[in-house]
Amino acid sequence: NAGVTQTPKFRVLKTGQSMTLLCAQDMNHEYMYWYRQDPGMGLRLIHYSVGEGTTAKGEVPDGYNVSRLKKQNFLLGLESAAPSQTSVYFCASSQPRQGLFLSNQPQHFGDGTRLSIL
Amino acid sequence: DAKTTQPPSMDCAEGRAANLPCNHSTISGNEYVYWYRQIHSQGPQYIIHGLKNNETNEMASLIITEDRKSSTLILPHATLRDTAVYYCIVRLAGNNRKLIWGLGTSLAVNP
Repeated sequence: NAGVTQTPKFRVLKTGQSMTLLCAQDMNHEYMYWYRQDPGMGLRLIHYSVGEGTTAKGEVPDGYNVSRLKKQNFLLGLESAAPSQTSVYFCASSQPRQGLFLSNQPQHFGDGTRLSIL
Repeated sequence: DAKTTQPPSMDCAEGRAANLPCNHSTISGNEYVYWYRQIHSQGPQYIIHGLKNNETNEMASLIITEDRKSSTLILPHATLRDTAVYYCIVRLAGNNRKLIWGLGTSLAVNP
């Protein structure tokens, strides 16, 4: 049981290049998320998905696109990378609220992708 | 969602209890308090969460004041492996897309 797996772990891009970050989870979770983490700032939500085939914008969606074609995978794409997108990217997954209980399930995170754009 | 205030850093001796405070004075009645931690170069790890009752699990205890304006995460016997940044987050029940992350408390456990 690997949990949440992110690939690649590191990548260096040149400005204008494109790439896709892959997130895979084996916990059968409905919800998946992409965050970025920058020095001196907390994690910020880029996009999220509440189920296969659905995506929605988070706090900082500009410059990114996502797809959730399969329940277990959530892809984050950079069509034309910019230096401002240099960051550590984290993927997370969770289950939705269970039954009548109001408590949400916690989010489980991958170990991140460190992306540098020159 | 309510915001939280945490001290930027704390120290704790190995084997002693680590008590990490969090203020969330604007919390509303249906917002939960969550604690995560992030060990260097790893993804955040869930620790515990609660609404108004104190909670305990195998990792930690969460004490929430009666007025719910503050809480304390307790690591009963801190080890060197507990050195990490600890985040206190309040989140509206049913609102999975909104975890407002602050800068957390950097806890150093010293031998």
